Amino acid sequence: GQQLNQSPQSMFIQEGEDVSMNCTSSSIFNTWLWYKQEPGEGPVLLIALYKAGELTSNGRLTAQFGITRKDSFLNISASIPSDVGIYFCAGYTGTASKLTFGTGTRLQVTL
Amino acid sequence: DTGVSQDPRHKITKRGQNVTFRCDPISEHNRLYWYRQTLGQGPEFLTYFQNEAQLEKSRLLSDRFSAERPKGSFSTLEIQRTEQGDSAMYLCASSGSGLSKNIQYFGAGTRLSVL
Repeated sequence: GQQLNQSPQSMFIQEGEDVSMNCTSSSIFNTWLWYKQEPGEGPVLLIALYKAGELTSNGRLTAQFGITRKDSFLNISASIPSDVGIYFCAGYTGTASKLTFGTGTRLQVTL
Repeated sequence: DTGVSQDPRHKITKRGQNVTFRCDPISEHNRLYWYRQTLGQGPEFLTYFQNEAQLEKSRLLSDRFSAERPKGSFSTLEIQRTEQGDSAMYLCASSGSGLSKNIQYFGAGTRLSVL
């Protein structure tokens, strides 16, 4: 099935560094969601975006809904070890009820 | 715990056996979704219920798969004659109606291993 393209695929960073990742699609999305998944668990919602250009923060996390509606970005500031996990973007096109997920960005944080 | 609950968390079965998974959504949510996730991939949509009505099914949902939500509350996903390719994490999610219908909350998943 269709999946969104996320980059980078993986990141190895030091504690305290900022992180940026993005998600792109060939289709227009009308909602973007960012989830974090840890091993053996389901995805946990981080941020939801509803309008083109929208910038939303959740603690150290900030996400943006791209103005073309074909991309979204997630930034994590001052990373800490518990930020380790796989970050997925997901979105809806049109009136679809199903979420289309990205390929994931695996984040590793070293001390 | 008022989140989405899935049971069992892990299931090991032999090829050819039938398996059934259960999902209990967040109590006030009328929409329920099933996804499948294989290693290194994002979740892929399988099917969706609004109340007891199954409104959408993915082409991934072969005729060996059947999902039900008989009373509009919990849902079951059955896989008949399991194959090794069915090995995956099966995730359930739920969402509310109105403005909150776009926010899907996921359970911890059922990891299926077919030997």
